[in-house]
Amino acid sequence: QKEVEQNSGPLSVPEGAIASLNCTYSDRGSQSFFWYRQYSGKSPELIMFIYSNGDKEDGRFTAQLNKASQYVSLLIRDSQPSDSATYLCAVNPLLPGGYQKVTFGIGTKLQVIP
Amino acid sequence: EAGVAQSPRYKIIEKRQSVAFWCNPISGHATLYWYQQILGQGPKLLIQFQNNGVVDDSQLPKDRFSAERLKGVDSTLKIQPAKLEDSAVYLCASSLEGRQETQYFGPGTRLLVL
Repeated sequence: QKEVEQNSGPLSVPEGAIASLNCTYSDRGSQSFFWYRQYSGKSPELIMFIYSNGDKEDGRFTAQLNKASQYVSLLIRDSQPSDSATYLCAVNPLLPGGYQKVTFGIGTKLQVIP
Repeated sequence: EAGVAQSPRYKIIEKRQSVAFWCNPISGHATLYWYQQILGQGPKLLIQFQNNGVVDDSQLPKDRFSAERLKGVDSTLKIQPAKLEDSAVYLCASSLEGRQETQYFGPGTRLLVL
């Protein structure tokens, strides 16, 4: 079982719609969860992180975490063509000795159709 | 604030040759990471430095890859000898000490091994 699982997509949504990106993780000891956006040919950039169960909102982005189900999602409201990118889910399990290591999923490619 | 710098941006070599990549992190960032991102996959952590000490190199193929961070600032990653499967983007990232949730990535070095 992969540590972080995502559907590679592509996920196509019309402009103005809500895009829902999902991620599951295997390590129940994971402490924090991140969403990175990566445009084609560019480097990843952090868009949100979440630590606690529930929702965290930042502008058009909402991250949702359910630790019992080992599930984290990212909702993008009012999707724009500029949101077209690959969204990487990353998880930060707490390893022995207090060391934390970020593990990335393969990413979901989002296409917002004008 | 200057971002993470990497060089070269592109490199084409033949298998069995050697190659080296350079990274200069954001000033004041104690933690430096080298990731390998193969096309269609998420970044995979190769090595993590805290100042000039290695925190994690569990996924570094030590028979051919080596990395160092002398003086706790710049870092170099070397591959010797290169294999076809080493073709990837090599990303350097940095963060403040204890702030793995906020990593800043450099532009990456695109390596093609022929």
